[in-house]
Amino acid sequence: DTAVSQTPKYLVTQMGNDKSIKCEQNLGHDTMYWYKQDSKKFLKIMFSYNNKELIINETVPNRFSPKSPDKAHLNLHINSLELGDSAVYFCASSQVDRGRSYNEQFFGPGTRLTVL
Amino acid sequence: GQSLEQPSEVTAVEGAIVQINCTYQTSGFYGLSWYQQHDGGAPTFLSYNGLDGLEETGRFSSFLSRSDSYGYLLLQELQMKDSASYFCAVRDKSYGQNFVFGPGTRLSVLP
Repeated sequence: DTAVSQTPKYLVTQMGNDKSIKCEQNLGHDTMYWYKQDSKKFLKIMFSYNNKELIINETVPNRFSPKSPDKAHLNLHINSLELGDSAVYFCASSQVDRGRSYNEQFFGPGTRLTVL
Repeated sequence: GQSLEQPSEVTAVEGAIVQINCTYQTSGFYGLSWYQQHDGGAPTFLSYNGLDGLEETGRFSSFLSRSDSYGYLLLQELQMKDSASYFCAVRDKSYGQNFVFGPGTRLSVLP
């Protein structure tokens, strides 16, 4: 019973390509996130999304876009991939209810993206 | 903006006690969390402090002083399996209540 799952686990692609990473959570949480972890292990939030609001880290290039077909899914689309996009991308979820937020985030296993 | 500082590396022996400090600067502090990440794995939640004081969960405890913008994670009775990276993360009101993660502390537990 995987709580937060991501596919694929590994993604190797050429510069300039467009790719997507899928994320699903079966915890019934209302908020999902995407994080990027670089080679130095810095973990940076890219997006948070619930059914009402998308919050975007202003440092994220607009080549990155989240897409949520429903409450349990938040996919990450990346256009025109660049070498610097190589990193591990983590999806996460938590329950944020009426302003009283639950502070535990559940992370997916990560997707290691390598851009050649 | 926000900034967090943690020691980059800590080394200790099995059975010892280790403290990992975290100092932060943020404009809208809401709470401090700690996460553990083993090599090749995903971050996993350890603890959260919204108020000053000590929170204890088994061998791990976390402390927060809001007036000092400081917190720490205390790991007792260290085991080899505790070798991992530990991240503090600040929940920031001015950032949509999202978490900003520190740079991480690599803990190595020696036999």
